[in-house]
Amino acid sequence: GAGVSQSPRYKVTKRGQDVALRCDPISGHVSLYWYRQALGQGPEFLTYFNYEAQQDKSGLPNDRFSAERPEGSISTLTIQRTEQRDSAMYRCASSYGPGTDTQYFGPGTRLTVL
Amino acid sequence: QQQVKQSPQSLIVQKGGISIINCAYENTAFDYFPWYQQFPGKGPALLIAIRPDVSEKKEGRFTISFNKSAKQFSLHIMDSQPGDSATYFCAASINSNSGYALNFGKGTSLLVTP
Repeated sequence: GAGVSQSPRYKVTKRGQDVALRCDPISGHVSLYWYRQALGQGPEFLTYFNYEAQQDKSGLPNDRFSAERPEGSISTLTIQRTEQRDSAMYRCASSYGPGTDTQYFGPGTRLTVL
Repeated sequence: QQQVKQSPQSLIVQKGGISIINCAYENTAFDYFPWYQQFPGKGPALLIAIRPDVSEKKEGRFTISFNKSAKQFSLHIMDSQPGDSATYFCAASINSNSGYALNFGKGTSLLVTP
């Protein structure tokens, strides 16, 4: 079946612009996670959802970052007033249910802020 | 603050050799320890995982050794093959019925030479 998909795969934006990154989890997966991965580093947790409820947003760096999953499926990570330090690979992962171990990662969105 | 420390940063092993990657953690509440494999341009994919109630888990050529008292765990790849060349991440989490966030190490770039 289809895996986790993310769009766009690449996004170049100018500093100060808002960006929206989309994640489409594996069908039927209840839990959805957002991570950020800098070059040469492991993924860093940002936030996660069970169904449409945002369970933990402790990893969001500041209030310019927000995420939603209004219908419990597709999720959007929004970064307002982007800064150069926001440049990274943003990865989405989903898992079958709350507390289920295996997280399946998407291919990521490479964000570059000029 | 890096909650999981991984070494070495890079590793070169000859075909047929054993690849060993080590990780250490501080948070004794962690109760799930997965290893992820990542190929260039792809998202991380779960390779093998262990819980602290066992000291070793083997799946094919891949083995996790876990030392709870030392707060360390390692990945051993037996009979390493060129196709194993990838970046490997260890991770740790506190598993709960409301979900969990993975804390990743910085990764180890493995090159298996023919």
